[in-house]
Formats: sequence, C-alpha cells, structure tokens
Amino acid sequence: AQSVTQLDSHVSVSEGTPVLLRCNYSSSYSPSLFWYVQHPNKGLQLLLKYTSAATLVKGINGFEAEFKKSETSFHLTKPSAHMSDAAEYFCVVSDQGGSYIPTFGRGTSLIVHP
Amino acid sequence: DTEVTQTPKHLVMGMTNKKSLKCEQHMGHRAMYWYKQKAKKPPELMFVYSYEKLSINESVPSRFSPECPNSSLLNLHLHALQPEDSALYLCASSQDYQVGGKAFFGQGTRLTVV
Repeated sequence: AQSVTQLDSHVSVSEGTPVLLRCNYSSSYSPSLFWYVQHPNKGLQLLLKYTSAATLVKGINGFEAEFKKSETSFHLTKPSAHMSDAAEYFCVVSDQGGSYIPTFGRGTSLIVHP
Repeated sequence: DTEVTQTPKHLVMGMTNKKSLKCEQHMGHRAMYWYKQKAKKPPELMFVYSYEKLSINESVPSRFSPECPNSSLLNLHLHALQPEDSALYLCASSQDYQVGGKAFFGQGTRLTVV
C-alpha cells in the first residue's frame, strides 16, 4: 500500500534562510507526489506535483521539490523563507495500488522567525 | 475553471439539526472525495464517488450521508451529529480515481456542533 512519511512535525527557520521539509514515500508503482500548504483556518492549496515527468519540480511561491527514486524521497525546498510561508505543509502520494486516492503525510508545521 | 467550491464556509449546528454541505466543480472530473480534518491533523478520507456512484466508504457513521446528484455536485448530509464531529470538511476532485491525476481541494467547510 502507498504511504508517505514526513520526517519532521515542526521546522523552524529565520526569515531569509533556506527551507527544507522532508518527505519519504513508499509505493510499489509509479507514484504521483504532491505538496500542499494549509494556512491557519484555511483549505488546502497545491504547491507542486510530480507525475513522472521532470524530477525537479517547480511550484508556486518559489518552492521546488526533487523526486529521487533511489532515496524514495520528495523533499520540499525554498531558497529564502518569508514570513508568509508559515503554515502547515502536507506531502501526499497517490498510486495505482491505492486507486490513486490521495494519501496524506502527518504534516509539517513551518515556523518562520523574523 | 480549476476550482472546487464548497459552501457554506462556516456552519454551526445543534445535535438535533439536519444540514448539508455542498461541493461543486466544473473541471469535468469524475472522481470526488470527502475528507474530514481535525485540528493539527492531516485530512482523513471519508467517501469516494466515481462516476456519481459511491465507491468507497471508510466506515463513516450513518449520521453522515453523501450524495452525488450529478457529475459536478457532491453533497454531504448531516443529521444528529456529535460535538466530536466538529472539524474542517474538505471536498476534492480528480480526473478519475482509477486513472490518477492531480487532486484539487476546496477551501473547506468549518463545522461546529454544539
């Protein structure tokens, strides 16, 4: 069965410093992988997705992620954090084995200090 | 139009009330989903509709009753809810859950049961 593990429940950075949110996945098929962001009391917004095309995926707001099959990872990065990036981030996997139903990681809370 | 629209945005209901949540998409997607999200937790799958037929029910209590009147609409009928049912209810859609693809999420309905 597909699954996704977000390795950190909280990540704290200073404004202007790089962001790294880690995600590892498990899938017996060719997965689709997504990162979503959720600001407090809001719904989910898609940041970026990987669906077997280019392994380096660029998303909105300066975020990008790299699909590494050998490491079963799909980490989310941003060169310079902004205060408005403070939110909950979810890594999501879907594959044939799970009937392509989105399966969520537990979430990582990004805290940005001034 | 790449939006999933949910109404209402907020709902407060008593334990004896009957209310409905509504979800609409006009992307031609044939798979639609209901998720429940408690605070500080990832979304949990409740129901999946495929081609307007209920495909998956994740052992959801019968006080939640989904309905898919046509390919663009998804409702969630609520009756005799409990305070612990208070949560953010998210609707999502994708092209076809058997084929895969990007899932689009609505902004959610924040439900409070009093």
